[in-house]
Amino acid sequence: AQSVSQHNHHVILSEAASLELGCNYSYGGTVNLFWYVQYPGQHLQLLLKYFSGDPLVKGIKGFEAEFIKSKFSFNLRKPSVQWSDTAEYFCAVNEIRAGNMLTFGGGTRLMVKP
Amino acid sequence: EAQVTQNPRYLITVTGKKLTVTCSQNMNHEYMSWYRQDPGLGLRQIYYSMNVEVTDKGDVPEGYKVSRKEKRNFPLILESPSPNQTSLYFCASSTTSGVDTQYFGPGTRLTVL
Repeated sequence: AQSVSQHNHHVILSEAASLELGCNYSYGGTVNLFWYVQYPGQHLQLLLKYFSGDPLVKGIKGFEAEFIKSKFSFNLRKPSVQWSDTAEYFCAVNEIRAGNMLTFGGGTRLMVKP
Repeated sequence: EAQVTQNPRYLITVTGKKLTVTCSQNMNHEYMSWYRQDPGLGLRQIYYSMNVEVTDKGDVPEGYKVSRKEKRNFPLILESPSPNQTSLYFCASSTTSGVDTQYFGPGTRLTVL
């Protein structure tokens, strides 16, 4: 079965600190990769996605993620966080050969202190 | 406005009483999906549909049914709800028949007593 791991469940940072959230998945086939964000009281929305091409993907609000195939990882980064980045972040993976299922990680709750 | 709507937003019910949560999208999307969100477990896919009359099981389909008779609607049916189905449920849709950017609804918080 597909599995996606986000090892950091809770992260607390001060404003202007750098952020890196880990995401690892468990299968070696071709994958499509996503990061979603859920701000307090709002819908989940897409931050960025990787389907193919340049493994360094840039998304909205200054976020980026790097796909490292050899490490089965798709870590999310932001050089300088803001209080408004306080949210829950979810990594999601679709293994192409498994069809059209989308598997999410357990989420990382980020709190940014002003 | 392009959106995914769910009804009801909040529901408290009792064990065994059949219920339906509706989901509708106005973006002409082909792919629709249901997820449940539980603390520490993230979102888990219940069922998805690639198009009208085409549905498939996700990770946690037990205890749920879906139907896709029209492109815009994808109701989630709990024939005999149990307390372990207490959760936050999200419907989502996507532009293609495969997995792409999911557009999420606002969520339905279900409590089964």
